[in-house]
Amino acid sequence: GENVEQHPSTLSVQEGDSAVIKCTYSDSASNYFPWYKQELGKRPQLIIDIRSNVGEKKDQRIAVTLNKTAKHFSLHITETQPEDSAVYFCAATSYGKLTFGQGTILTVHP
Amino acid sequence: DADVTQTPRNRITKTGKRIMLECSQTKGHDRMYWYRQDPGLGLRLIYYSFDVKDINKGEISDGYSVSRQAQAKFSLSLESAIPNQTALYFCATSDLGSSDQWTQYFGPGTRLLVL
Repeated sequence: GENVEQHPSTLSVQEGDSAVIKCTYSDSASNYFPWYKQELGKRPQLIIDIRSNVGEKKDQRIAVTLNKTAKHFSLHITETQPEDSAVYFCAATSYGKLTFGQGTILTVHP
Repeated sequence: DADVTQTPRNRITKTGKRIMLECSQTKGHDRMYWYRQDPGLGLRLIYYSFDVKDINKGEISDGYSVSRQAQAKFSLSLESAIPNQTALYFCATSDLGSSDQWTQYFGPGTRLLVL
């Protein structure tokens, strides 16, 4: 089955800095890669996703890149704000099933 | 997302007890999923159902069973709860017929403590 590795497990940045979270996956059949944000005590919420036929996607301060050959994908957050503090999960979809990474705790210090 | 609801939201039970967690959705989605979340392990898939007559095991199905009573309802049962099933449980849905068929929408979660 699919295996998704996510790094780093914790990330601390100053407000205004950029944050990058990286994931690798194992199943070459995976074709959809979402990123979820989970605030404390809340449900995961989709923040951005990318499909296997696209190399990069951007939505305001958030961008995701995908390298299918290397089976890598990354989340980039620019101009971080304290409200970006949360746990971020990457995931890979193969045959309709999501496999999640272990999560990254992002802390943005004012 | 208020369209996906879970009951109960919190539950404390004892080892050996049978417990059922319920998920309902008004989104009209055909696919439903149950996940378990433990600290440091992300979310792991327990069972999933692509329609009412389709039930599939996920990554960690041992000790769990499910029932898809209708398109809108998907229940997770622990036949004999054990302490290492203490976790946060999420239900999710997705819609095969939509342009974003792979996007999953999560319920609010059920926090389960097994003593």
